[in-house]
Formats: sequence, C-alpha cells, structure tokens
Amino acid sequence: ETGVTQSPTHLIKTRGQQVTLRCSSQSGHNTVSWYQQALGQGPQFIFQYYREEENGRGNFPPRFSGLQFPNYSSELNVNALELDDSALYLCASTLKGQGYYEQYFGPGTRLTVT
Amino acid sequence: RKEVEQDPGPFNVPEGATVAFNCTYSNSASQSFFWYRQDCRKEPKLLMSVYSSGNEDGRFTAQLNRASQYISLLIRDSKLSDSATYLCVVTDSYNQGGKLIFGQGTELSVKP
Repeated sequence: ETGVTQSPTHLIKTRGQQVTLRCSSQSGHNTVSWYQQALGQGPQFIFQYYREEENGRGNFPPRFSGLQFPNYSSELNVNALELDDSALYLCASTLKGQGYYEQYFGPGTRLTVT
Repeated sequence: RKEVEQDPGPFNVPEGATVAFNCTYSNSASQSFFWYRQDCRKEPKLLMSVYSSGNEDGRFTAQLNRASQYISLLIRDSKLSDSATYLCVVTDSYNQGGKLIFGQGTELSVKP
C-alpha cells in the first residue's frame, strides 16, 4: 500500500465545465506531484508541490492549477474543460528510497469530458 | 526526439521465457532511473530503481549504462502474472523535486 488515495475514482464532465480532483498522502510526505495519462501514453508531468508551494510545472496551460494543504492533501483544478482533457489523472507522493527519491502513485481519477 | 524511448510492443512470450526490455534517454543530465509496471486501467507501480552497479530482485534484473544513456530490464522465468505494461522512467533531479519522465511503455503478454 502506497498510502496515497485519490477521489473521485471516475468522473464525467461536459466541455467548458470545471473539475476538482483530490489526493491525500501520508503524514510527512511533503512532496506531491500530479500527472496526466492519456490512453496509450505514458504519464505526463503536470506540476509538483512541496510544502504547499508549487515546485515545478510541466507543459500544461494555466487552466490547470493546484493546491497543497498542511494536512498533506492536494487538489488539481482544471477550468474550461476540453475534450482532450479526458485522461487518467494520477497523483504521486515522494519517499526517500535506498538510493533515489521514489514516487508512489495513487489509484488515479479517470476523467471523461463529453 | 522523445526524452525516453522504449522498445515498441507488444511482446508476446510463453510462460518460462526470458524477456528483455530496452530503453534509451536523451538527457545526459538525468539523475534517477526506474522501471514501473502498470496493469490495465491501474496506476503505475514502482518495480525497481536502477543503479549504475545494476540491481536484481528475484527474477528481475535492471542495468543502467550512463555512457550510452541506456536502461534495460530482464525478466527471467516469465509468469502469467508478469503480463502488464512496463514503463521506463528517468528524472532530472536526485532530490525530491524531480519530475518523472516516462517512456511510452512496452506491453508484455505472457501466455500459458
């Protein structure tokens, strides 16, 4: 068990709407990252939060935004949804392994935009 | 050119076979290296971190060649349960601020 949970599991939205996805990790996991995985592709990095501050961002437009809270939970917000936003959205918590820092994923939220 | 490139799949092998996956990465400054496994419609799960000295975990052996910017994964004595997509992953940082950069994945199907 990674200790990373996400909600909801599935979501259907209409183009133009807004959506909020949630992620919760274990106490002490200061870094959370969000990824988008389209069908048949590897996950793409959206952004990362460390101690409630954005700590890096991938090639995603500003309508993708996020928050991290003191209780180690996090949100991904997407405004003005487009059909291409349909994907599996994954959050990951970072832990120090034997050598590298390692990222462990939650089960994901599958978003369908119609 | 993609930052991380993997063998195109799918790989279809019989139980008990040995299968090797190859991966190359374009950024010589890449710092951390991993193989993840992803089952259909599930999240990626960390299979192994990959170090320059090579590492082994049971039937799985991973190798890293920094000079050639090449990563490999060898699975010996394949089991039906090994059927999944295998994702090669690198990061640009040693610290916890690194972002994961994924290859497109190689699908493995192990048949009875």
